[in-house]
Amino acid sequence: KAGVTQTPRYLIKTRGQQVTLSCSPISGHRSVSWYQQTPGQGLQFLFEYFSETQRNKGNFPGRFSGRQFSNSRSEMNVSTLELGDSALYLCASSLMGTSNTGELFFGEGSRLTVL
Amino acid sequence: AQKVTQAQTEISVVEKEDVTLDCVYETRDTTYYLFWYKQPPSGELVFLIRRNSFDEQNEISGRYSWNFQKSTSSFNFTITASQVVDSAVYFCALLNAGGTSYGKLTFGQGTILTVHP
Repeated sequence: KAGVTQTPRYLIKTRGQQVTLSCSPISGHRSVSWYQQTPGQGLQFLFEYFSETQRNKGNFPGRFSGRQFSNSRSEMNVSTLELGDSALYLCASSLMGTSNTGELFFGEGSRLTVL
Repeated sequence: AQKVTQAQTEISVVEKEDVTLDCVYETRDTTYYLFWYKQPPSGELVFLIRRNSFDEQNEISGRYSWNFQKSTSSFNFTITASQVVDSAVYFCALLNAGGTSYGKLTFGQGTILTVHP
């Protein structure tokens, strides 16, 4: 069973640019969650999607957005990049239907560097 | 509000020593899940264990064991006879089972474990 696939693995952007990250969940999983990991703030929840609907959102500015497609693949977008957006962005997939049991399977992440 | 505290930022041991990673949590919910994840240098979070709030049985899996004590809101993780391959960052996490918490794990700050040969 293939795991969670995130692309790209590494990328470098400059301030003011925008970036789109992609996540393909485990086959059959319908929920995708996104997390940001930085040395200062640790792992912080960004948002969760299920069947193309955002069900939950963390405390991030509107520059951070996401979407989910009918095949459960998800993308997150960060516009007007700031230096502080440099982080490892992790995606997790789950079967998570109506029950919230937290069995999340994580990808290897996309490491974003903003210069 | 939920909070997870891992008091140890870094631990360094010599191979074959036992090591315990502490985790203390705060939540107002009565139904919740606790997790431990391992993050090797490659970056992905590897699931180690999940425990729900109604199951206080300790668990052992090979060299790993977990001690869940609801009375002290702790969920500690012990590695017996540590090995160099155990070197990683370990995260404790909390998830409330309520319907508004989909996908939202609250993580501790992590403990960097280094096992020296």
